[in-house]
Amino acid sequence: DIQMTQSPSTLSASVGDRVTITCRASQSISSWLAWYQQKPGKAPKLLIYKASSLESGVPSRFSGSGSGTEFTLTISSLQPDDFATYYCQQYNSWWTFGQGTKVEIK
Amino acid sequence: QVQLVESGGGVVQPGRSLRLSCAASGFTFSSYGMHWVRQAPGKGLEWVAVIWYDGSNKYYADSVKGRFTISRDNSKNTLYLQMNSLRAEDTAVYYCAREIAAAGTTLGWFDPWGQGTLVTVSS
Repeated sequence: DIQMTQSPSTLSASVGDRVTITCRASQSISSWLAWYQQKPGKAPKLLIYKASSLESGVPSRFSGSGSGTEFTLTISSLQPDDFATYYCQQYNSWWTFGQGTKVEIK
Repeated sequence: QVQLVESGGGVVQPGRSLRLSCAASGFTFSSYGMHWVRQAPGKGLEWVAVIWYDGSNKYYADSVKGRFTISRDNSKNTLYLQMNSLRAEDTAVYYCAREIAAAGTTLGWFDPWGQGTLVTVSS
């Protein structure tokens, strides 16, 4: 099974900050990676697929990069609506999620 | 608009059964693979099961294999999860999700997700 490890687990940041979340796969997954945003009591929402493709309607301040085993999600200028938990997901070999990164207000 | 609505959650005793449903609308349900994903209280996301668009293939996480059964009725645009021999560790919000796969590929990402239904296994 492919394991996905996100870092950090919690991130404290201020509005306007540039934020980067890392996701590492236990083996190469090419570019078969998605990122989701989840707010408390809500379902996950797709942000990025195929490592760097922005889902329609998602603000351009979100971007994804990477391939192979290391990936990043970047928020270029953190907005109040962005405080949430973010999950990566590999879909190269079945489906596995990272443990999540909570972005909280500093 | 594309929508998934889960139902069937509740409180159930250990060892008992429960069936979840997921009603789909706004898209051609019979063209998409469908998944169940769960989230224990305060925890992360765990993939549970997948069923191919035509029901021809079904796969499960090891944690539920042999106890849970995924199925679908394309005539009713509905996905199901039959959960037997429930355990305390099955307590979670259960989400259904549509799989989107790029052309020429087999596996894909999830979009959208339903709002979830809470299953609590407790005596």
